[in-house]
Amino acid sequence: GQNIDQPTEMTATEGAIVQINCTYQTSGFNGLFWYQQHAGEAPTFLSYNVLDGLEEKGRFSSFLSRSKGYSYLLLKELQMKDSASYLCAEDPHSSYKLIFGSGTRLLVRP
Amino acid sequence: DVKVTQSSRYLVKRTGEKVFLECVQDMDHENMFWYRQDPGLGLRLIYFSYDVKMKEKGDIPEGYSVSREKKERFSLILESASTNQTSMYLCASSHRESNSPLHFGNGTRLTVT
Repeated sequence: GQNIDQPTEMTATEGAIVQINCTYQTSGFNGLFWYQQHAGEAPTFLSYNVLDGLEEKGRFSSFLSRSKGYSYLLLKELQMKDSASYLCAEDPHSSYKLIFGSGTRLLVRP
Repeated sequence: DVKVTQSSRYLVKRTGEKVFLECVQDMDHENMFWYRQDPGLGLRLIYFSYDVKMKEKGDIPEGYSVSREKKERFSLILESASTNQTSMYLCASSHRESNSPLHFGNGTRLTVT
């Protein structure tokens, strides 16, 4: 199968760090995307990992381990505006069709 | 910036009506997609197109059809709307390269009564 698993909901405090995990089962893929989606809005692109390791972009970092079938999105210095859903998506070989997880709804509290 | 424009933000239709959802992108993207998004089910692909007049079924094509007569425009058609097609519909586009991210429109919330 090509299941992608993410936690349904997470809660964190403003200023803290949160890690959102994504596990997948496909054996071969080009890379892994992360998108952010605020309530009532369209998803927007955050990151794309091809190689194993951590890629940092300001307060947001994304990590990939192909051998472990595992990725995570790390959000530092959380702000209230980071409250949103975070979608993990696999970019499979030989297909234009991304495989999306159901998303993790993050609530940032004061 | 890439702009993906969906023709309607909110739409209310009656069961049995034929419904057209229009999507236009302005960045010369080869690929265009139609998704629906429902609570707990995430994004599900209905149809996609990788070139003009080309289309492929996604995961849930039943009850839908699409049209891509021009590169910038991708239309989703509900031949006979049903209440289980009440959903948020998202159009997206991308370049053909594998690392090209999807750019989404703002969505159309369709209610079928």
